[in-house]
Amino acid sequence: GQQVMQIPQYQHVQEGEDFTTYCNSSTTLSNIQWYKQRPGGHPVFLIQLVKSGEVKKQKRLTFQFGEAKKNSSLHITATQTTDVGTYFCAGYDSSNTGKLIFGQGTTLQVKP
Amino acid sequence: DAGVIQSPRHEVTEMGQEVTLRCKPISGHNSLFWYRQTMMRGLELLIYFNNNVPIDDSGMPEDRFSAKMPNASFSTLKIQPSEPRDSAVYFCASSPAPGQGAISQETQYFGPGTRLLVL
Repeated sequence: GQQVMQIPQYQHVQEGEDFTTYCNSSTTLSNIQWYKQRPGGHPVFLIQLVKSGEVKKQKRLTFQFGEAKKNSSLHITATQTTDVGTYFCAGYDSSNTGKLIFGQGTTLQVKP
Repeated sequence: DAGVIQSPRHEVTEMGQEVTLRCKPISGHNSLFWYRQTMMRGLELLIYFNNNVPIDDSGMPEDRFSAKMPNASFSTLKIQPSEPRDSAVYFCASSPAPGQGAISQETQYFGPGTRLLVL
């Protein structure tokens, strides 16, 4: 079945350093979504990318969708302690059943 | 606006007992999803409903798990009998259907989760 893989699984950075997580799908996605889950919290929607090669920014966060619509990345510039959490990418099943496939997530720790 | 509501927020029970988790989706949303999250397996989709009808239950681990959605504003996930390996955080999420409009037509809005511990 369709799979969505994320790397790395964990990342520890010093506050102020940059951070990137990568997401790869085994099949072409209609769109890709990113969610953030704070420790002890629930996943919260961040953004959706739809177009091939699309790039969107939210303050220090930059999201990219690959040209082939099979990979995506999230880059955080100058991390802050508030960025701590697990970042999930998710893509809709290509069979259009309405099933959102989540990656395993990348857990970010930021040392002050 | 009220988000997705789940109850209870925490549940501690003994092996063999029946557990019922409840979810109230966001009003107007017609897709509802039940997920389970553990350290080992991450976020797993158990089952989802569209317009109160179960669409895909392939993620339900075994016959001990069942889910119902009797109306558009309520769903339950039941585990009977519960086992220690069922200990996890169970999330309910809802989503508007395409055409209703939102941040994204396909965004999922998660509830706070139910933390289940089976002893």
